[in-house]
Amino acid sequence: AQSVTQPDIHITVSEGASLELRCNYSYGATPYLFWYVQSPGQGLQLLLKYFSGDTLVQGIKGFEAEFKRSQSSFNLRKPSVHWSDAAEYFCAVGAGNNDMRFGAGTRLTVKP
Amino acid sequence: DGGITQSPKYLFRKEGQNVTLSCEQNLNHDAMYWYRQDPGQGLRLIYYSQIVNDFQKGDIAEGYSVSREKKESFPLTVTSAQKNPTAFYLCAIGRGGSSNQPQHFGDGTRLSIL
Repeated sequence: AQSVTQPDIHITVSEGASLELRCNYSYGATPYLFWYVQSPGQGLQLLLKYFSGDTLVQGIKGFEAEFKRSQSSFNLRKPSVHWSDAAEYFCAVGAGNNDMRFGAGTRLTVKP
Repeated sequence: DGGITQSPKYLFRKEGQNVTLSCEQNLNHDAMYWYRQDPGQGLRLIYYSQIVNDFQKGDIAEGYSVSREKKESFPLTVTSAQKNPTAFYLCAIGRGGSSNQPQHFGDGTRLSIL
């Protein structure tokens, strides 16, 4: 069965600094990969998705993610973080059988 | 997320009581899902439904029940058999079929024990 690991529980970055959130997946075939963001007390909002093709995908709010098959990774990046990016971020993998697995999440704090 | 309505936003349960969480959608999506979210554990699937009058257990279905009598509605009942119901509950919808289609989420219901 597929699984997702987000190694960092909590990350703090300064406003304006670059950001990279790590995601590793376990799945035998080419996975479908997603990043979601959750503000406190809210649902999850889709940031971006990877199905196939170009391994660098662009999402909303200036985020991008790169699929690296050799490393089983799908890390999320942003060149310059804004205070409004403070939230919890979830990586998820789908396996083509209506089964989506979520990582445990990474909480992002942005310092002024 | 637009088109998915979860209610109530906050809910309190007494010992031995069943409570029902509502999830309604107007986006005509076939698939609907219920997740439980606990701090540090991500989302865990409780139940899902791909068509009306059919639903499947997820990873943590014990102590929960669902129905899918209408395409638009997928209510979740937290029964008295669920001994640790305090959590944030999220409803999601999807186009169904293969899971290359992302799920879209409601704003959640926070359930607490009185």
